[in-house]
Amino acid sequence: QQQVKQSPQSLIVQKGGISIINCAYENTAFDYFPWYQQFPGKGPALLIAIRPDVSEKKEGRFTISFNKSAKQFSLHIMDSQPGDSATYFCAARSTGRRALTFGSGTRLQVQP
Amino acid sequence: DSGVTQTPKHLITATGQRVTLRCSPRSGDLSVYWYQQSLDQGLQFLIQYYNGEERAKGNILERFSAQQFPDLHSELNLSSLELGDSALYFCASSVATGAQGEQFFGPGTRLTVL
Repeated sequence: QQQVKQSPQSLIVQKGGISIINCAYENTAFDYFPWYQQFPGKGPALLIAIRPDVSEKKEGRFTISFNKSAKQFSLHIMDSQPGDSATYFCAARSTGRRALTFGSGTRLQVQP
Repeated sequence: DSGVTQTPKHLITATGQRVTLRCSPRSGDLSVYWYQQSLDQGLQFLIQYYNGEERAKGNILERFSAQQFPDLHSELNLSSLELGDSALYFCASSVATGAQGEQFFGPGTRLTVL
């Protein structure tokens, strides 16, 4: 029940296109959903996060869409750039447990 | 730069050996988390410390242990190392108060067990 399922495993998008990564969860106690971006040889960096009381959060080109009833959330990267090429992880955390449960990651490649 | 530091950056050792990984959290952060990242298991939570006390345990093997010192730095000790322990080990820190408690990750230590 702690699992977070992430798809797709890899994604290739043309420059200027929209990248969409999806995650689904089962544990209804999850109350915080961050997305992390990881470049090779680096640690994961917090990109954007959402709480389940809102359905969408936008920061620049990055948007999280959240569907509480479906227990799904997604990351949209608008106007994708080659510099966005990285691995993206969704994660979730429950109120009583501060450790993050991560999805399996999506390797995004933005072609120029 | 997240403000979390980890040393060493790389570590190569042999099976059966013991190693210590070190983490310094961001200034002001009281909570430290350790995660293991491997190709087959992904990013997995190992253990959390808050202000010197163990707060939560995840998928941490009995051969592994950790502690957080009064200056808030933390060490992860891995003993009787096996080939399968080869992975990236990340430390993250957070204030651990307030509604969000965002975790900020260090650059990691790459452990190779030969």
